[in-house]
Amino acid sequence: ELVLTQSPGTLSLSPGESATLSCRASQNVRSNYLAWYQQKPGQAPRLLIFGASNRATGVPDRFSGSGSGTDFTLTINRLQTEDFAVYYCQQDGISPTFGPGTKVEFK
Amino acid sequence: QVTLKESGPALVKPTQTLTLTCTFSGFSLKTSGMSVTWIRQPPGKALEWLARIDWDDDTFYNKSLQTRLSISKDTSKNQVVLTMTNVDPMDTGTYYCSRNMDVWGQGTTVTVSS
Repeated sequence: ELVLTQSPGTLSLSPGESATLSCRASQNVRSNYLAWYQQKPGQAPRLLIFGASNRATGVPDRFSGSGSGTDFTLTINRLQTEDFAVYYCQQDGISPTFGPGTKVEFK
Repeated sequence: QVTLKESGPALVKPTQTLTLTCTFSGFSLKTSGMSVTWIRQPPGKALEWLARIDWDDDTFYNKSLQTRLSISKDTSKNQVVLTMTNVDPMDTGTYYCSRNMDVWGQGTTVTVSS
């Protein structure tokens, strides 16, 4: 099974700062089928990034994704209050899996 | 506008079979490239991918759960059904369905308890 590891587990930041979230895969992710989701308490996840670097419809450009192979990054520039949430990476290969999540919390 | 809504029992007893229905609108599962996926989330824990059915009837399952899961579609009703046999308290959580992983339902909460 392809295992995804996310770091850090928790990121404590202030509005206006930038966040860098890491997602590492135990094997190469097929054709960059790597997505990022944002989840707020009591809500369903929201797709942010697909294909490692493509923003989903309506996602602000302060969110960006990069990486390939086994190392991927989600960067959030100029954090807004509505960005404080849990972020999951997901690989959509033969046997899809999610990472354990990174919580971005107020410092 | 694409919408999905999950439905099913809120409480199930251990060893029973859980049946969840995803009713959707705004797209057709007869259209090439469309798929519906089920994902779950135990309370306070991470997301877990469960199963997917594609427009062409291809099905895919979480390898750890595949002996207990079955996914099917009824295109005339715009519904996808997930069944999980022999449920256990560890299956407690919120169950979501999603179209192509880009639009999600609000989720339905299932508790497995005697």
